[in-house]
Amino acid sequence: RKEVEQDPGPFNVPEGATVAFNCTYSNSASQSFFWYRQDCRKEPKLLMSVYSSGNEDGRFTAQLNRASQYISLLIRDSKLSDSATYLCVVSLTGTASKLTFGTGTRLQVTL
Amino acid sequence: NAGVTQTPKFRVLKTGQSMTLLCAQDMNHEYMYWYRQDPGMGLRLIHYSVGEGTTAKGEVPDGYNVSRLKKQNFLLGLESAAPSQTSVYFCASTDSYEQYFGPGTRLTVT
Repeated sequence: RKEVEQDPGPFNVPEGATVAFNCTYSNSASQSFFWYRQDCRKEPKLLMSVYSSGNEDGRFTAQLNRASQYISLLIRDSKLSDSATYLCVVSLTGTASKLTFGTGTRLQVTL
Repeated sequence: NAGVTQTPKFRVLKTGQSMTLLCAQDMNHEYMYWYRQDPGMGLRLIHYSVGEGTTAKGEVPDGYNVSRLKKQNFLLGLESAAPSQTSVYFCASTDSYEQYFGPGTRLTVT
């Protein structure tokens, strides 16, 4: 079983749609959670950290369910520029010092 | 402030050849990492360093060596390249809150 599992997609959605991605992790001792964004043929970049209480950054909302060991990312009012691969990332530490990456979920936003 | 840089950006090697990938960061970070990314596999940690003069093995270290002689530089070496090492290699460094990645090196071994 993979440590971090994601649906690879692709998710094809029209501009303005709301889309949600889920991710599950296997190690219940995981302490830190993140979503990274990776554009085609580019490096990953931090999109947002995920906190137990849930957190929002503009059109993006991240949720953590420790009991079920899953993390979600909700994107509202999708833009063409949101097209990318979204990587679910977990850490056994409370920092970003040792990360385990999911394989990513590809999002394609169309006109 | 360049962040994390990697050289070269692209390289084609023949089986058995050797090469060194260079990673440099100007953010004074203690921790540095080398990952490889393959289709359907996600990012996998090859080696990492928690400070100048230290290195440690990650998830997939076989066939690679690393050195951290200076805090700002982290070198990844392939002594005898194999086709299985065809991949995109990313270097990263962290301030503990976020890992910052370099632009990647696309390596093909024929």
